[in-house]
Amino acid sequence: QSVLTQPPSASATPGRRVTMSCSGSSSNIGNNFVYWYQQLPGTAPKLLIYRNDQRPSGVPDRFSGSKSGTSASLAISGLRSEDEADYYCVTWDDSLSAVVFGGGTKVTVL
Amino acid sequence: EVQLAESGGGLVQPGGSLRLSCAASGFTFSSYAMTWVRQFPGKGLECVSIISGGGDNTYFADSVKGRFTISRDNSRNMLYLRLNSLRVEDTAVYFCAKSTSSWLHYLGFDHWGQGALVTVSS
Repeated sequence: QSVLTQPPSASATPGRRVTMSCSGSSSNIGNNFVYWYQQLPGTAPKLLIYRNDQRPSGVPDRFSGSKSGTSASLAISGLRSEDEADYYCVTWDDSLSAVVFGGGTKVTVL
Repeated sequence: EVQLAESGGGLVQPGGSLRLSCAASGFTFSSYAMTWVRQFPGKGLECVSIISGGGDNTYFADSVKGRFTISRDNSRNMLYLRLNSLRVEDTAVYFCAKSTSSWLHYLGFDHWGQGALVTVSS
């Protein structure tokens, strides 16, 4: 059972927008930066969003991150088939003094 | 080009030991924190350990404290993870990854290796 709660799945048709949440508490998301990783099948995770809403160079602006209070969200607009992947949020938890990952959301392009 | 390559995975019996290595190239190794992240068969991720660029600060997940040791050789651009007292639940793919910071709590890891499978079974 993950400290950060992510819905197990999300889906949308090509070209649409899909969003996914990452819910935590004041000791983790509420007080620390959130990072998002994309993991395509059979590959290592890839940094998608850092410090809540920043995109590394090379990440399309179709991907956007946000944070409000103790929750964070990742949105993918203009969904493409190649976006089918697992998406994980991660942050630091001050109470646990630990790095905490969400359980991941599997995005399916219908 | 940044490259990370893990080695040393394999099958080990419960209670056994293993050392994972990660060969790094294409960047100033000593300037960045490095991490080991594992992925369980059910796909969940866990940050096992992080080490600062100079090697003087480390982080370990509670699940591995006292059993795993992280180290680095900045003269050889190598990262290591020593896994002792292995348990069945340590079975996972172990990835090494490079941080974009020297700070341990910065969790942006921008380059990853291909992963090394560790299987703990009798």
